[in-house]
Amino acid sequence: DAKTTQPNSMESNEEEPVHLPCNHSTISGTDYIHWYRQLPSQGPEYVIHGLTSNVNNRMASLAIAEDRKSSTLILHRATLRDAAVYYCILRDGENSGYALNFGKGTSLLVTP
Amino acid sequence: ETGVTQTPRHLVMGMTNKKSLKCEQHLGHNAMYWYKQSAKKPLELMFVYNFKEQTENNSVPSRFSPECPNSSHLFLHLHTLQPEDSALYLCASTRTLLGNTEAFFGQGTRLTVV
Repeated sequence: DAKTTQPNSMESNEEEPVHLPCNHSTISGTDYIHWYRQLPSQGPEYVIHGLTSNVNNRMASLAIAEDRKSSTLILHRATLRDAAVYYCILRDGENSGYALNFGKGTSLLVTP
Repeated sequence: ETGVTQTPRHLVMGMTNKKSLKCEQHLGHNAMYWYKQSAKKPLELMFVYNFKEQTENNSVPSRFSPECPNSSHLFLHLHTLQPEDSALYLCASTRTLLGNTEAFFGQGTRLTVV
């Protein structure tokens, strides 16, 4: 199981960009980088994933380092509704049976 | 609405009761998962099913018994639970087990064992 390391918590002001870091120094060449978030009292929600290139979708952007040993989830304008626990997870793209294993994630606080 | 539906949303049961949690998805996914999330703790993977076959049992006590009759439905049968089993139980599904597919989660069942 390739491991990820995230800060326990981060704080941001509303309407400002947020950069959530994730270190995954033991990532293998076939591991996809996934991000999920969990709002209070809800199930986790898919945010974005990528392999090597940076990715954008309606929710966020994912910036992947050239050596793939770290990545950053970017929320372009934080809102109060973005307050959640954000999880960075690696999933093997070639070998089946590699379930989603969650760590503690980063708890994001957004203040008005 | 994620396309993964769990019922019931809340459940209170005694230690001698038998109950079942249900999860269904109509996303055409072939893999389904059960997770347990205790208060202030990360999600713990319990079981994984792929095409109705169990592929992972993460050392879960036998008082939790999963059942996957088809790729769209997943059950978790509960009997003689302990108070420490009180938690949020989450179901998820993915199109395949491969890492390039995203997971969709249900809202969970909040279980309280008294």
